[in-house]
Amino acid sequence: QSVLTQPPSVSGAPGQRVTISCTGSSSNIGAGYDVHWYQQLPGTAPKLLIYGNSNRPSGVPDRFSGSKSGTSASLAISGLQAEDEADYYCQSYDSSLSGSRVFGTGTKVTVL
Amino acid sequence: EVQLVESGGGLVQPGGSLRLSCAASGFTFSSYAVFWVRQAPGKGLEYVSGISGNGGSTYYANSVKDRFTISRDNSKNTLYLQMGSLRVEDMAVYYCARARGQWLAYYFDYWGQGTLVTVSS
Repeated sequence: QSVLTQPPSVSGAPGQRVTISCTGSSSNIGAGYDVHWYQQLPGTAPKLLIYGNSNRPSGVPDRFSGSKSGTSASLAISGLQAEDEADYYCQSYDSSLSGSRVFGTGTKVTVL
Repeated sequence: EVQLVESGGGLVQPGGSLRLSCAASGFTFSSYAVFWVRQAPGKGLEYVSGISGNGGSTYYANSVKDRFTISRDNSKNTLYLQMGSLRVEDMAVYYCARARGQWLAYYFDYWGQGTLVTVSS
């Protein structure tokens, strides 16, 4: 059971904007630890999408954006494309005894 | 080009042992912490273990502590994971990943393709 909760699935039509939430607590996101996001296409390794809450690595389209507020973070995908259909995971650090380094529960994005 | 290539996965019986390797190239291996992250079939990502660039600091998830040992050989640009007392719940694809940032705020900018560990009798 992860301490970072994501919706199991989100969906949208091509061109639409979708957001994925990553809900934590005062021992992880709320404590100021950075949130990072990964995209995992079917059958492949995860790929870094956003680091340090809102920074995009070179090569990641600016359709992807990240934000953080309070005990939650969000990943937004604007101008949704068919190739964005994948699993998305947030990641942070948790200072509680039961935590430590954690990934979110993961969200499947479906392009309708 | 940064590359991470895992090997050593396979079928092992419950209670058995296995050693995974991750060969790195395209960067100064000793300058980076590296981690093992696993993914059980149809499940999410889970941290397993990590080690600092000089090997002086290590991290283990509670689920593998005292059963797994992480190590690295910077002269060979290789990361290892010695897994013992394997359980059915350890069955997963194991990825190695290069870490960036600070120890408590690491993110992973490069990942290997993964190696499958199957634990079954």
